[in-house]
Amino acid sequence: GQNIDQPTEMTATEGAIVQINCTYQTSGFNGLFWYQQHAGEAPTFLSYNVLDGLEEKGRFSSFLSRSKGYSYLLLKELQMKDSASYLCAVRGSYYGGSQGNLIFGKGTKLSVKP
Amino acid sequence: EAGVVQSPRYKIIEKKQPVAFWCNPISGHNTLYWYRQNLGQGPELLIRYENEEAVDDSQLPKDRFSAERLKGVDSTLKIQPAELGDSAVYLCASSSEPIWTAENTGELFFGEGSRLTVL
Repeated sequence: GQNIDQPTEMTATEGAIVQINCTYQTSGFNGLFWYQQHAGEAPTFLSYNVLDGLEEKGRFSSFLSRSKGYSYLLLKELQMKDSASYLCAVRGSYYGGSQGNLIFGKGTKLSVKP
Repeated sequence: EAGVVQSPRYKIIEKKQPVAFWCNPISGHNTLYWYRQNLGQGPELLIRYENEEAVDDSQLPKDRFSAERLKGVDSTLKIQPAELGDSAVYLCASSSEPIWTAENTGELFFGEGSRLTVL
């Protein structure tokens, strides 16, 4: 089966750095994804990791350790517009129970304060 | 380029009534997904289409939910009859490559969703 855990809520200050953790258990592994979802809006793709290590994309970075079943999303130079929910999603192997579909965690609601 | 279009954005119905949601994916995207998202939760997959074929409907409650994608483009998700627990946002998403291809990066393009309230 699939299990994805991430904190429910986090608060950080504008200009600071915040790290959102995600742990997962999956039958087969074919990538880990982070999506951003502002309240009342659709999720939008942020990052994709399939190999261990850090992927950097502007102010956002995502890290993956497959052996530990662990990922984090790092947001630097926080801005008020970064207040949103951040969804961790895992894709299992195509031949596993998830048939390669994305399975989403419950999301972490980040509030950025002035 | 137009994104994924869904309608209606909001729907309020009484329990036991039918409801239908429509989705038009990004042009050229052969893979289409319907997800359901409850308040404070992540999206949960209901059904995935590759062109007009439903290749994964294992999470679709088939006693009351149905979906179709007759010409491999637009799709409709129907609930009949609706129950109180069906209140949620129904999200449609599309991707350009089938899941099993190396080109599939897992990036899904979501529509704005259809928010259903069942009274």
